[in-house]
Amino acid sequence: DQQVKQNSPSLSVQEGRISILNCDYTNSMFDYFLWYKKYPAEGPTFLISISSIKDKNEDGRFTVFLNKSAKHLSLHIVPSQPGDSAVYFCAATKLSGAGSYQLTFGKGTKLSVIP
Amino acid sequence: NAGVMQNPRHLVRRRGQEARLRCSPMKGHSHVYWYRQLPEEGLKFMVYLQKENIIDESGMPKERFSAEFPKEGPSILRIQQVVRGDSAAYFCASSRGADEKLFFGSGTQLSVL
Repeated sequence: DQQVKQNSPSLSVQEGRISILNCDYTNSMFDYFLWYKKYPAEGPTFLISISSIKDKNEDGRFTVFLNKSAKHLSLHIVPSQPGDSAVYFCAATKLSGAGSYQLTFGKGTKLSVIP
Repeated sequence: NAGVMQNPRHLVRRRGQEARLRCSPMKGHSHVYWYRQLPEEGLKFMVYLQKENIIDESGMPKERFSAEFPKEGPSILRIQQVVRGDSAAYFCASSRGADEKLFFGSGTQLSVL
């Protein structure tokens, strides 16, 4: 029972263009969403997050959009750079209440930015 | 300021042996979490510990797996009598407080032959 789904295992984008990574969730109790970036042989690194009370959060080249009615979020990277090539994990949790440390992860999307 | 340190990076065990994975949290962090990533899967929560206490082990398999975070030294994830299905990447994370951001280590890749 996958509660967080990333349906695209991989994505290739030209340098300078926009990368859009998608994530869907099924558990309506989730109220906090995070994106992690992972390079080979390293642990996931926190990238950006969004609370369910917002529909957009921006940090430099990275913007996360949340559509609660569709239970969908997306990560936009613009402009994409070769150093952005990594696996991106979407994660969700219930911030309200105990157990917010229990992140539910998607399977990840491998982004390749082509120079 | 060193990050979360895990060792070993790679661990090879034969079926039936024991595996011990170590995790030292970031300086100033007293909350430790273990996650497991099976091949082609996302990370899954296993256990949450504070010093000398297991707070939440709801994600731990019921048998053969145990975790501890002693007063002194690193947190240990112990897997007894390993089977091939235990082959995975095991990530440790730490945080300063219970509801604060998690910082992940580089993981231990366990391979069971």
